[in-house]
Amino acid sequence: DAGVTQSPTHLIKTRGQQVTLRCSPISGHKSVSWYQQVLGQGPQFIFQYYEKEERGRGNFPDRFSARQFPNYSSELNVNALLLGDSALYLCASSATAQPNQPQHFGDGTRLSIL
Amino acid sequence: GQNIDQPTEMTATEGAIVQINCTYQTSGFNGLFWYQQHAGEAPTFLSYNVLDGLEEKGRFSSFLSRSKGYSYLLLKELQMKDSASYLCAVRGGILDDYKLSFGAGTTVTVRA
Repeated sequence: DAGVTQSPTHLIKTRGQQVTLRCSPISGHKSVSWYQQVLGQGPQFIFQYYEKEERGRGNFPDRFSARQFPNYSSELNVNALLLGDSALYLCASSATAQPNQPQHFGDGTRLSIL
Repeated sequence: GQNIDQPTEMTATEGAIVQINCTYQTSGFNGLFWYQQHAGEAPTFLSYNVLDGLEEKGRFSSFLSRSKGYSYLLLKELQMKDSASYLCAVRGGILDDYKLSFGAGTTVTVRA
C-alpha cells in the first residue's frame, strides 16, 4: 500500500513568490495535517483538515492557507514567500481526527527561498 | 499552549540501552507520541501513551507519568540503524484543537 505522497520533492523559489505543495494521504485516511520543520527543530503544526473542513490552525500568518479535496488529498499554499519560509514541509495523514490516532508522515517537500 | 523539553543529543554503544526523557507542560492532554526520524527522511510512528505506565513494543518501550508531565523512550539492544532523531509529541486538548506539538528532537548516535 502506498504511504503518504508529497510533491514536489524539492522546490526553489524567490522572495515574494507563491508556492503550492501537494499531498495524497494513505488510502482510506480522511484527515490531513501540514507541518513546517526547520533544520534542527521538531515539526511545527500549520493546519489540520478532516472531511474537507479545517479542524485546527497553528500560529502561522495568513500567507499560509490550505484546502482538502473530495478525494482527501490536500494542498498547502504560501503567498509572498519570505526567506524564513525555507524549511521542510511535511504532510501527515490519519484515519480519523480522533486524538489517539497516530499520524503517518510523507517524505516532505524541501522548500528553499533565495 | 505546550512546552516540550528533551535532550539535544545522546551517544551510546551498540548493544547498550539508552533512555530519552521528555518533559511537557500543557493546557490539555490527549496522549503522547514518540516518532523516529532518520536524517532526510519522514518521521515514523513508534509509540503512543495516554494512560500512566509502560508500553513495550519489541526493543522499544515508552513510559508516561501524567502527574509529573514526564515520559521516556527506552531503546534496548541498540543497533547502528537506531542512529536517528527521536521526537516527543504531545496531543493537546480541545482548546488547542487537539494540536500535536513536537519537541525539538533528541539525536541519538550509536557507536560500534
